[in-house]
Amino acid sequence: GQNIDQPTEMTATEGAIVQINCTYQTSGFNGLFWYQQHAGEAPTFLSYNVLDGLEEKGRFSSFLSRSKGYSYLLLKELQMKDSASYLCAVRDDYKLSFGAGTTVTVRA
Amino acid sequence: KAGVTQTPRYLIKTRGQQVTLSCSPISGHRSVSWYQQTPGQGLQFLFEYFSETQRNKGNFPGRFSGRQFSNSRSEMNVSTLELGDSALYLCASSLTGEQFFGPGTRLTVL
Repeated sequence: GQNIDQPTEMTATEGAIVQINCTYQTSGFNGLFWYQQHAGEAPTFLSYNVLDGLEEKGRFSSFLSRSKGYSYLLLKELQMKDSASYLCAVRDDYKLSFGAGTTVTVRA
Repeated sequence: KAGVTQTPRYLIKTRGQQVTLSCSPISGHRSVSWYQQTPGQGLQFLFEYFSETQRNKGNFPGRFSGRQFSNSRSEMNVSTLELGDSALYLCASSLTGEQFFGPGTRLTVL
């Protein structure tokens, strides 16, 4: 089975940087995904890590350490529209198991 | 390319009824997964279909079932609805691992 932990809530100010940590324990590993979900909407894909290291995509970066069962999502130059829930998900052979999500609130 | 579509978007049923939800994946995607999302439990995996075969199943009772057609469209069925089945049901299609989600069907059981 999968056990995925991430903080429940985080608050930051516009223009700042926020780092969302995710730790996992899995019986199989075939990649780690980060999704963004605005209230009332479907999750949208942000990033994918399968090898150790940092993946950068514009204002968003994601890091993975497989040996530590650890990942983080880094959001830079925060904007009000970044207020959303961020979901960490681990894939085994066929399915994604999701963490409970981290609600990020960006304040002016 | 059109995204994942789900119908209906909203549904209200009463306890004991059954419901069928539909999902059309992105063209060319053969894998379709279903998830249930509730405030208390978050996103939970229901099942995945690939080429009309169920490849994996989550920990849900047998009242939850699904199928996939030759054109990759998928349906999920919930029989004997319970109040706790009220949730957002999301389907996601995949080609190489990254999953693309549809807008979901909001099911309310009264």
